[in-house]
Amino acid sequence: DGGITQSPKYLFRKEGQNVTLSCEQNLNHDAMYWYRQDPGQGLRLIYYSQIVNDFQKGDIAEGYSVSREKKESFPLTVTSAQKNPTAFYLCASSRGEGSGNQPQHFGDGTRLSIL
Amino acid sequence: AQSVTQLGSHVSVSEGALVLLRCNYSSSVPPYLFWYVQYPNQGLQLLLKYTTGATLVKGINGFEAEFKKSETSFHLTKPSAHMSDAAEYFCAVNLHASGGSYIPTFGRGTSLIVHP
Repeated sequence: DGGITQSPKYLFRKEGQNVTLSCEQNLNHDAMYWYRQDPGQGLRLIYYSQIVNDFQKGDIAEGYSVSREKKESFPLTVTSAQKNPTAFYLCASSRGEGSGNQPQHFGDGTRLSIL
Repeated sequence: AQSVTQLGSHVSVSEGALVLLRCNYSSSVPPYLFWYVQYPNQGLQLLLKYTTGATLVKGINGFEAEFKKSETSFHLTKPSAHMSDAAEYFCAVNLHASGGSYIPTFGRGTSLIVHP
């Protein structure tokens, strides 16, 4: 079955360390997204990509970086500049441009904690 | 102004009672509206969507929602709550972005609590 795979499910970061969260999809979707979820704050958009080799900042991009070298993959790096990284991170995908009526498909998330 | 607003961060109902989760959207957004459900430690799943056509939309698990343009609302309902409906529910809208693309925007979510 097609879907989105996020790994790992749980991740721990030490002070001053960068960590990378993996997101892979086999839905042949053009668009991919990263969200951060904190209790009571809903989903906040970190980065999104509508096409390979192109991505845009969302509402809370500071302290994060992404790449989109392949259509299937959209890894998120949480850098040491992100001072409060503890959160639940969700990756999503959808059909691309001109598809305002298309829903998103989500992975099962990665929970990141500080050691 | 918020593009989509969910009224009530928590809704509590008894098993078998009507479920009503409220969502209002900004009249400036395109009418691409969605409801998603999230169970603990999981991603979001699509419940239903409204894009064009019939304003009463039926989704999975017995949920439905009605698009009311005059009230800028898209409330989610279920006639009879089940214990398994306890979860977080998100209303979402796809907003126009640069280059003809759309960016999903989510409400803050409503936690549904079902009492036996």
